[in-house]
Amino acid sequence: AQSVTQPDIHITVSEGASLELRCNYSYGATPYLFWYVQSPGQGLQLLLKYFSGDTLVQGIKGFEAEFKRSQSSFNLRKPSVHWSDAAEYFCAVGVVMEYGNKLVFGAGTILRVKS
Amino acid sequence: DTGVSQNPRHKITKRGQNVTFRCDPISEHNRLYWYRQTLGQGPEFLTYFQNEAQLEKSRLLSDRFSAERPKGSFSTLEIQRTEQGDSAMYLCASRQGNTEAFFGQGTRLTVV
Repeated sequence: AQSVTQPDIHITVSEGASLELRCNYSYGATPYLFWYVQSPGQGLQLLLKYFSGDTLVQGIKGFEAEFKRSQSSFNLRKPSVHWSDAAEYFCAVGVVMEYGNKLVFGAGTILRVKS
Repeated sequence: DTGVSQNPRHKITKRGQNVTFRCDPISEHNRLYWYRQTLGQGPEFLTYFQNEAQLEKSRLLSDRFSAERPKGSFSTLEIQRTEQGDSAMYLCASRQGNTEAFFGQGTRLTVV
């Protein structure tokens, strides 16, 4: 069955430090992969997506992610974290259903930024 | 267009009562999704509409849950005889074809 694992429930980084959030997926077909961010009381905002092609994808707010098929991973990175990046981050895989497709999400990683 | 709109934002109800939530998608979007998010978890798929047709339903969606999208525009999600386990954030998302899905801010349901 399809699933997404985000091993880190919480991560704390200093402002200006680099960030890597881990994501591993399980899906039998070629995956469509996504990273979303959710601030308190807000909906989900798409940061970036991978469908095919270049395995390093760029997103909004300076984020990037690298798809590694051999490791079934899609880790999110940012070279220098800002205090406004504090939020919860969700990795997701697009799954084909009989009449459409849906997103299967990981449990999320809460990012705290210390000054 | 200001994006996907969900109402109400918060709902507190007593166990056993019925509740209904509304989602107004982005106007030209033909696909609409409902997800449920409980504390400490990612969103879980509940159901999917293409225009007015409800094409997919999760096993999570018990008989107490019903969703409609009567004219292919707004959608409603009704929960009958609410239980404490129904307490969650209910998220709506819409998209046009296979483009990016946009999420609303959600309706937080608390069953007391």
